Amino acid sequence: AQKITQTQPGMFVQEKEAVTLDCTYDTSDQSYGLFWYKQPSSGEMIFLIYQGSYDEQNATEGRYSLNFQKARKSANLVISASQLGDSAMYFCAMRETSGSRLTFGEGTQLTVNP
Amino acid sequence: NAGVTQTPKFQVLKTGQSMTLQCAQDMNHEYMSWYRQDPGMGLRLIHYSVGAGITDQGEVPNGYNVSRSTTEDFPLRLLSAAPSQTSVYFCASSTMDRTFNEQFFGPGTRLTVL
Repeated sequence: AQKITQTQPGMFVQEKEAVTLDCTYDTSDQSYGLFWYKQPSSGEMIFLIYQGSYDEQNATEGRYSLNFQKARKSANLVISASQLGDSAMYFCAMRETSGSRLTFGEGTQLTVNP
Repeated sequence: NAGVTQTPKFQVLKTGQSMTLQCAQDMNHEYMSWYRQDPGMGLRLIHYSVGAGITDQGEVPNGYNVSRSTTEDFPLRLLSAAPSQTSVYFCASSTMDRTFNEQFFGPGTRLTVL
């Protein structure tokens, strides 16, 4: 069974600084996908970034990058130059090999302080 | 494109009542799913479908029924609501493309069962 672990229930960062949100996963599949979603206080789920298990380069999308360490089974999200609007809940998720089902972690509540 | 739409946005039920949460997508996605979100538990998969006429159970299916008569619609039925079903419900859809299949989420339905 797949499992996603986010060990940081809450994180705080100063505006304009970088922050890393941790995500580790457990799977016996060789092919899988890893996602990060942002959920602001308004409640919608916003897709941020995707990493395929066979991708050789770490994924980047603007200020978001994914630090993918396959041997360690970790897929940490790095947000550079934090903004007040980055304050939200962040979820790590994994897609199974044989379908499109996503398994989510419990989330990390990020607060950006001015 | 409207993307993924959900109705209603809010609903209050009494224990034992039944209701249907509606979900529709206009992206011709094969895969559709329902999640529930409870505090501290991330999103958990209730039911999913890989195409019209095909549904399967997720992690927490008890108390919920689904059907998929068309590609566009994937309603979730609560046959006899219980207070334990108080939650926020998200519908999501995606392609079955194995290389990258971002799941698009609806805005959510906040359900309270008294």
